[in-house]
Formats: sequence, structure tokens, C-alpha cells
Amino acid sequence: DAGVTQSPTHLIKTRGQQVTLRCSPKSGHDTVSWYQQALGQGPQFIFQYYEEEERQRGNFPDRFSGHQFPNYSSELNVNALLLGDSALYLCASSLAIGGGETQYFGPGTRLLVL
Amino acid sequence: DQQVKQNSPSLSVQEGRISILNCDYTNSMFDYFLWYKKYPAEGPTFLISISSIKDKNEDGRFTVFLNKSAKHLSLHIVPSQPGDSAVYFCAASAYHNDMRFGAGTRLTVKP
Repeated sequence: DAGVTQSPTHLIKTRGQQVTLRCSPKSGHDTVSWYQQALGQGPQFIFQYYEEEERQRGNFPDRFSGHQFPNYSSELNVNALLLGDSALYLCASSLAIGGGETQYFGPGTRLLVL
Repeated sequence: DQQVKQNSPSLSVQEGRISILNCDYTNSMFDYFLWYKKYPAEGPTFLISISSIKDKNEDGRFTVFLNKSAKHLSLHIVPSQPGDSAVYFCAASAYHNDMRFGAGTRLTVKP
């Protein structure tokens, strides 16, 4: 049973650049959520995708955007990178609608913005 | 907004003893609570959950207690093992909305 996978594992970018992170959900899951985890903090919700549409969004600027594909995989795009975007980006997948159902996390992509 | 708080950044216990990790929340609309464990360089791993209609849920060595009137939940691990050493996150959600996480508690179990 394949778990949640994310790519790449690590990434280094410079300020102003754009980045795309990828996520494949756990087999059978149809909902993907993205989180940002800064050092020493808990994960912060960015947004959630279900049926290829953004269903919920946290308190993140429009520079953060996403996409979900028909096979339920998802991408997180961040434009005009800032130093403060350096963090661990986590993808979580779940079955059925919304939170309240258990979400399973991938290993994360560690982004460093210089 | 810190709707979920874990006020103890770290906890150290002896192997075989009980570990108690605490979590407080402010949003009375939360109806589902979870605990995740995180090792370095890995994503959070789901540990145990509890619905607001219950006050206790047990899974092997792990038990979660929910006190809705106090807006408090706790995770008990007994007996604690060195392999339990990790960062533990408390999370909560309201009516199928996004999960809110606490800042985590680093548990160290000493042999």
C-alpha cells in the first residue's frame, strides 16, 4: 500500500524565484491538503484540494497556488519567493470530504530560500 | 491565531514510566482531535484520534483523553519506550474543516 509521496525532498531557491512541489496521495485517497511547517512550529494549513478544486484555504497569500490532477495527485506552486518561505512543506491525503477524517502525511519537501 | 496550544515544548521520562502530553484548545467548535508523532526528516505519522462525542480512546499503549468542558486533551503513553522519543503534535478540526496544529512537544524517553 503506497503511502503519500512528495518530490523533491530538498530544494534551494533564491528570492523572487518560483517553485513547484509535487505530491501523490495515499492509494485510494481523493483529498490532498498542503501545510507549511516552519522551524519549531506545528504545520500551518495552506489549502486543500478535492475533485480538482480548491475547497478550503488558510491564511496564505495568493503567491501560494495549487492544482489537483484527475489522478488525485497535486502540486503546490509558490511565486516570488521570500526568505520567509523557507520551511518544510507537507502534503497530507485523506478520504472523503474535508478534515475530521484522518489525514496521512508525506515526508515533506524542505525548501530553502536564499 | 493559536487555537491549539501545547505549552510544554519538551518532556523527559524514564523508560517504563508513563508519558503524559497535554494540549489545550480555544475553539469550542472543534469536533475531532488527533495526535501525530514526528521523527526528524519524516512527515508526521498519525497516532490516535478522538471524536468530541467520546472522552477516551485507547489503542495499545496509547490513550487519548478529552475534557470538553476544560477544552483540554491529553495523550498517555504507558509504558514509555525509547522508540517513542519524537515530537508529538496535537491537532484539531471543526466540522470537516482544516486541521489546526499545536507547536509540538518533544518527548525523550531515557533507557
